[in-house]
Amino acid sequence: ETGVTQTPRHLVMGMTNKKSLKCEQHLGHNAMYWYKQSAKKPLELMFVYSLEERVENNSVPSRFSPECPNSSHLFLHLHTLQPEDSALYLCASSQGDSYNTEAFFGQGTRLTVV
Amino acid sequence: AQSVTQLDSQVPVFEEAPVELRCNYSSSVSVYLFWYVQYPNQGLQLLLKYLSGSTLVKGINGFEAEFNKSQTSFHLRKPSVHISDTAEYFCAVSDWNNAGNMLTFGGGTRLMVKP
Repeated sequence: ETGVTQTPRHLVMGMTNKKSLKCEQHLGHNAMYWYKQSAKKPLELMFVYSLEERVENNSVPSRFSPECPNSSHLFLHLHTLQPEDSALYLCASSQGDSYNTEAFFGQGTRLTVV
Repeated sequence: AQSVTQLDSQVPVFEEAPVELRCNYSSSVSVYLFWYVQYPNQGLQLLLKYLSGSTLVKGINGFEAEFNKSQTSFHLRKPSVHISDTAEYFCAVSDWNNAGNMLTFGGGTRLMVKP
């Protein structure tokens, strides 16, 4: 596989469930990101990891918990979510130490909280 | 703080007509600008980017954009659109530092190409 792969593509979960989103990149990048895309709102940066360390947390509620075990994998652990958390969650990667590179995005996980 | 404004939420256009999608930005640091396209049920794909140099940037699928520093704009253009160009288009500005390339996105413009 090449590029950025996200699993699952679709997820329905109850408000008391615990689930995880997975992202894997095969591009040799050293920075990974989680973005949230809600209806009628711009894409929002949630978390940034560079060299497996979290360098940005955009005031995201603690019910979202990221994990970056190595430079190729990124997880988003979810627990006690609210219906307003329903959205498309996009993972991206880039070469963090080079300015002339763009972010590559996965296809996203469509999350529905019921 | 950076921000991006896409002035049109929807742009309907007939096939083979030209199109311009508008983007204005504000940034207090060096500007790196991007246009991404999102097809239904897909992630974002890079169309083109401006980092430095020539203000006219050419991208994939026949798109181009012009960086205008005095007007703080980065409008996207295509001289003749196809049905397959129907998608959501996002303008973004980069706040790049040694820790990574953090993008601030505009609200998106839905391009609807009609036959």
